[in-house]
Order: sequence, then C-alpha cells, then structure tokens
Amino acid sequence: AQSVTQPDIHITVSEGASLELRCNYSYGATPYLFWYVQSPGQGLQLLLKYFSGDTLVQGIKGFEAEFKRSQSSFNLRKPSVHWSDAAEYFCAVGVNAGNNRKLIWGLGTSLAVNP
Amino acid sequence: NAGVTQTPKFRVLKTGQSMTLLCAQDMNHEYMYWYRQDPGMGLRLIHYSVGEGTTAKGEVPDGYNVSRLKKQNFLLGLESAAPSQTSVYFCASSYSSLSFLRNTGELFFGEGSRLTVL
Repeated sequence: AQSVTQPDIHITVSEGASLELRCNYSYGATPYLFWYVQSPGQGLQLLLKYFSGDTLVQGIKGFEAEFKRSQSSFNLRKPSVHWSDAAEYFCAVGVNAGNNRKLIWGLGTSLAVNP
Repeated sequence: NAGVTQTPKFRVLKTGQSMTLLCAQDMNHEYMYWYRQDPGMGLRLIHYSVGEGTTAKGEVPDGYNVSRLKKQNFLLGLESAAPSQTSVYFCASSYSSLSFLRNTGELFFGEGSRLTVL
C-alpha cells in the first residue's frame, strides 16, 4: 500500500540548532517527493521537491532534503533553525493515479523553536 | 498575483444549516481540490476536479457536494452541516498538461476556511 510516515509528531529545538525532520514512504515506483510548510493560521506552502537527478535538493528558507532510495526516505534538514521556522511540516509523495498523479500525505510534524 | 483564494475564511453554522465555500484560482490550472484538515489526521481529500464541468470523489466525500462550472472556480457545499464537519478546509489547484511527465502533482494552496458547526 502507498503511504507516507512522519515518525515524529512533535519536535522542539533551540534557535540556532540544526534540524532534521524524517519522512519515509512506501511506493513501488520512483516517487515525486515534496515537503510543505504550514505556518500557524496559514495555508500550505511548498518548501522543496524532488523529481529526479541530484538526490540533494535545496528549497526556500534555507531548507534542504535528501532522497535516499535504499531507505525510502526524504528527510528535511536545516543547519540553523530560526524562531520563524516554528510551523507544521508535511511530507507528501506524488504517485501515479491513471492519467494524473495524486499526493499521499504524511500526518505532519509540528516544530517548536525555543529562544 | 492572487493564486488561490478561498471565501469565507471563517464561518460558524448551526447543525442542519447549509453553506458554500468558494475557491478561485487565477493560474489557469486544470485540477482543483478540496481538502479538510483535522488534528492528528493530516490532510484528507474530499473532492477534486480534473477540469471544468467534471468532479470526482476523494477519500471523505460524504456530506459534501462540489461544482466546477467555471475553470477558475471550485465550490464546496454542505447541504446539512453536522458537528463532524467542523474543520479547516483547504482548496488547492495544480497544473496539468498533455505531457504526463509535467503533471507532477505539485499543489498550490489557499489560506484555508475555518468552519465550526455547533
């Protein structure tokens, strides 16, 4: 079955510390991979995406993610977290669905940042 | 550049009342979606549309209806609201192309509509 797992429901880090949010997926073919961020009271915004090529992708706001096929993972990283990064982060996988693709969503990881 | 706009942003209903949420996009996207977001359950697809005049059911369609009379608009209706429909509703749109490889599933979201049913 196709699925996306974000093992960490909630993470708290100190401002300036490094961050890694985990995402694992289950899908038989090569997926399209996304990370979205949702700030409080806002809609979702695309942080970065992986379609093919270099497995380390750079996104907005200083985020990066690495696709590891052998581990079926697409973990999101940031070397130094800012207080404004406090938000909900969603991993999603684009899978084949007829002539379209559909997104399978993780349940999200809530990030809190301590000053 | 408005992107995806949802109205209203907030609404309180009584059980049994009806209402319509409006989603408008100005990106000429073919595909539009309605999701609901509930704590601990992530995003769940209610209905979607692959083009003007077409709609299809998603994961949780019961109690909702949709219409796509114009390409830029996607309406979500609740005919008889229930407390279980208290949620935050998100509209999204995506690009499509005759080239399958260009249809990557990337979504563009509105800011959400918070609905409370008492």
